[in-house]
Amino acid sequence: DIQMTQSPSTLSASVGDRVTITCRASQSIGNLLAWYQQKPGKAPKLLIYKASSLESGVPSRFSGSGSGTEFTLTVSSLQPDDFATYYCQQYDGYLFTFGPGTKVDIK
Amino acid sequence: QVQLVESGGGVVQPGRSLRLSCAASGFSFSNYGIHWVRQAPGQGLEWVAAISYDGNNKYYADSVKGRFTISRDNSKNTLYLQMNSLRADDTAVYYCAKVRYTFGYGMDVWGQGTTVTVSS
Repeated sequence: DIQMTQSPSTLSASVGDRVTITCRASQSIGNLLAWYQQKPGKAPKLLIYKASSLESGVPSRFSGSGSGTEFTLTVSSLQPDDFATYYCQQYDGYLFTFGPGTKVDIK
Repeated sequence: QVQLVESGGGVVQPGRSLRLSCAASGFSFSNYGIHWVRQAPGQGLEWVAAISYDGNNKYYADSVKGRFTISRDNSKNTLYLQMNSLRADDTAVYYCAKVRYTFGYGMDVWGQGTTVTVSS
């Protein structure tokens, strides 16, 4: 099975900062990777699908890139609403795996 | 609007069974695959199971294979998760989530979750 890792596990940042989260797969998954944002007590929200496609309604400050085994989620200018936990999720052969998450908190 | 609403959670003893439901509205339910995803207290997200749009194909995480069964009734716009032989480590919030377009395109609509607690 494919394993997913994320780094960092926690990230302290300020409003206006550029933030990058990295997700790595234990083997190549092409571009079948999604990113989600989750706030405490709430369901996750899809941000990015197919590694770099922005979900409808998601602010353009969010972007995704990568393919194969290494992927990044970038927030170009962090806003107060962006403090949350972010998860990557891969799809391979009808098995789906989430990364362990990256918590973005206020510095 | 597009909506998924889970129900059926509760407190259950180890070894017992529980069935979760997920009622869909606002979209053509029979056209989309659906996932179950869970989140243990204070932990990350764990994919549990998925079912194709027509119910003919079902996929499970190793942690639940042989104990959980995913199914759907397209005439009722409802997804189910039959959970047998429950264990303490099945304690979690269980979410249903709609496939964005097809498997591999992410999960674009999520329910609010239903809580399952396995405890004696």
